[in-house]
Amino acid sequence: GENVEQHPSTLSVQEGDSAVIKCTYSDSASNYFPWYKQELGKRPQLIIDIRSNVGEKKDQRIAVTLNKTAKHFSLHITETQPEDSAVYFCAASKGGGATNKLIFGTGTLLAVQP
Amino acid sequence: SQTIHQWPATLVQPVGSPLSLECTVEGTSNPNLYWYRQAAGRGLQLLFYSVGIGQISSEVPQNLSASRPQDRQFILSSKKLLLSDSGFYLCAWSVSGAGETQYFGPGTRLLVL
Repeated sequence: GENVEQHPSTLSVQEGDSAVIKCTYSDSASNYFPWYKQELGKRPQLIIDIRSNVGEKKDQRIAVTLNKTAKHFSLHITETQPEDSAVYFCAASKGGGATNKLIFGTGTLLAVQP
Repeated sequence: SQTIHQWPATLVQPVGSPLSLECTVEGTSNPNLYWYRQAAGRGLQLLFYSVGIGQISSEVPQNLSASRPQDRQFILSSKKLLLSDSGFYLCAWSVSGAGETQYFGPGTRLLVL
C-alpha cells in the first residue's frame, strides 16, 4: 500500500525566513496531495493541495511543488510569521476508487521564532 | 455551505466503560465519512471510513467499532474502553469519490483513566 514519509519532524526558523517541508510517496498511482495545518488543540485544516496534472501551485506565501518522477512533493512557506507555527501534515491519495483514503505523513512541527 | 459537528468536545471516562462519539455533517448528501485518532504529539491514524449508510470499513484491529445509521451521521463506539484509547478523535468528510479533499470536525478529546 501507499506510504508517505515526511521530513523534517521539527523545523525552527526565524521570522521572515522561508520554511520547506518535504514528503515522498511510494505509490505512483497517487494523484492528489493535500497539506494540512494543525494548531495546538485544533483540527487539521487544509491550506493547499495539488493534483498530479500540475507541477506547482501557489497561494500567497504558500506554495506546493510536485515531482511525479521522483515521487516527492514539498510545501514552501515564504516570509514566515509567528502565526505559521503549527504542525503541518502532508498526505497522498490515489484515484480509481470511491473511498478517497488519505495516507498522511507523520507531521512537521514548525516553530517560527520572532 | 457544509458544516461538520462532533460531540462531546471533551470526555473523561474510566477504564472498562462504554463509549459513544457522534459526528454529523450538514449541507451535503452522501458524503464519505472518516474516523481518525491522534495520540498526543503524534500523527493521524485512520480508524474507519464509510461510503454510505451501513457501509463501514475498518483500518486497524481494535476494540472500537463504527456505525452509520443515517446518511450524514457517523458514530464511534466501544463496549469497554482501554487506557490506550485515550486521544483526540477526529471525524472528517469528503465528497464521494477519489481525490477529494477531506474536511475535519472540531474533534473529541478523550481521556481514559
